[in-house]
Amino acid sequence: GQNIDQPTEMTATEGAIVQINCTYQTSGFNGLFWYQQHAGEAPTFLSYNVLDGLEEKGRFSSFLSRSKGYSYLLLKELQMKDSASYLCAVSLYSGGYQKVTFGTGTKLQVIP
Amino acid sequence: SAVISQKPSRDICQRGTSLTIQCQVDSQVTMMFWYRQQPGQSLTLIATANQGSEATYESGFVIDKFPISRPNLTFSTLTVSNMSPEDSSIYLCSVEAGTGSDEQFFGPGTRLTVL
Repeated sequence: GQNIDQPTEMTATEGAIVQINCTYQTSGFNGLFWYQQHAGEAPTFLSYNVLDGLEEKGRFSSFLSRSKGYSYLLLKELQMKDSASYLCAVSLYSGGYQKVTFGTGTKLQVIP
Repeated sequence: SAVISQKPSRDICQRGTSLTIQCQVDSQVTMMFWYRQQPGQSLTLIATANQGSEATYESGFVIDKFPISRPNLTFSTLTVSNMSPEDSSIYLCSVEAGTGSDEQFFGPGTRLTVL
């Protein structure tokens, strides 16, 4: 089976930096996704890490350590619009196709 | 990127009835995925639909309850059968980006309320 853990809620201040952690235990790991989901909307893709290390994309960066089963999403220069749920999801290949399993999500609240 | 539309966007249904949700993609895709997101929770994969073959269901989901059709490479339907209030959820269709990308795109979702 697969187990994905991330904090339920976080609060951070506008303009600050926040790190959202995700740990996972899974067999057949292929890569790790981060998605952003605003209330009432579908998830939108943020990043996908396959190799160890940090990948930066504007204000958002994502890190992966495959040996430790650990990832984090780093959000810099927080804006009020960053208030959303952030979903960690692991990818594995099963039966010839990619299967994605989501964590429970971290609800981030950005305050002034 | 793929553009995905779903119909209906929302519905309120009576217990014991069935609802069919449609998912349309603007490009041909091999695999389509159906997820459920119950209130306040994350996404749970229901099944994977491959064109021309039976859908593959995840543990806890069965074909009699969630029959799926995949008649071509741009369209799929998910039926929620014999509904109960516990089926109240958002149902999302998803596809892979393809062409060497592992990104998954999601449709806007169908918000279902069962009374």
